[in-house]
Amino acid sequence: DGGITQSPKYLFRKEGQNVTLSCEQNLNHDAMYWYRQDPGQGLRLIYYSQIVNDFQKGDIAEGYSVSREKKESFPLTVTSAQKNPTAFYLCASTPGNQPQHFGDGTRLSIL
Amino acid sequence: QKEVEQNSGPLSVPEGAIASLNCTYSDRVSQSFFWYRQYSGKSPELIMSIYSNGDKEDGRFTAQLNKASQYVSLLIRDSQPSDSATYLCAVGEWQNFVFGPGTRLSVLP
Repeated sequence: DGGITQSPKYLFRKEGQNVTLSCEQNLNHDAMYWYRQDPGQGLRLIYYSQIVNDFQKGDIAEGYSVSREKKESFPLTVTSAQKNPTAFYLCASTPGNQPQHFGDGTRLSIL
Repeated sequence: QKEVEQNSGPLSVPEGAIASLNCTYSDRVSQSFFWYRQYSGKSPELIMSIYSNGDKEDGRFTAQLNKASQYVSLLIRDSQPSDSATYLCAVGEWQNFVFGPGTRLSVLP
């Protein structure tokens, strides 16, 4: 089945540690996005990529990094510089100027 | 800064009633408008898209758009307990895709 796969579903980060969240899509979509959602809040854009090897910062990119080496994959690294990483992280993709469709999300917590 | 605002709720309606969810946006040039449903602990799911002024119906859902007033709404007819969720309004295109904070809807049996 076509879709967006995020892994892991739950992730725990220790102090000073970098962690990487995986997002893979087999929909052949050009654009991919990472959002952060805090409890009771809307979605805030972290990074987006419209083509391979190119990505742009969103509204809250500080403390995060991404890569887009393949069309199918857009991993997000939460670095130790992100002091408040506990949130629900959502990856989305779209073929173009179309509505975004989401993966199931990764819930990140601090140990 | 582009903004999308929604009534925070929670909005409670009895089963079988019409639920009305509202959204206003600040960017006058936006051309695309969406409603997503998000169940607790789950990811958002697209339920409606609307691009031109007027009403668009899909089953029990009707989206209404008024670009002059920068207003988009979602009506849910014959509300069911399974409609209890947070409804996110989203406006824009590509990287200029802005989400509202969501309205929590509770349908009471």
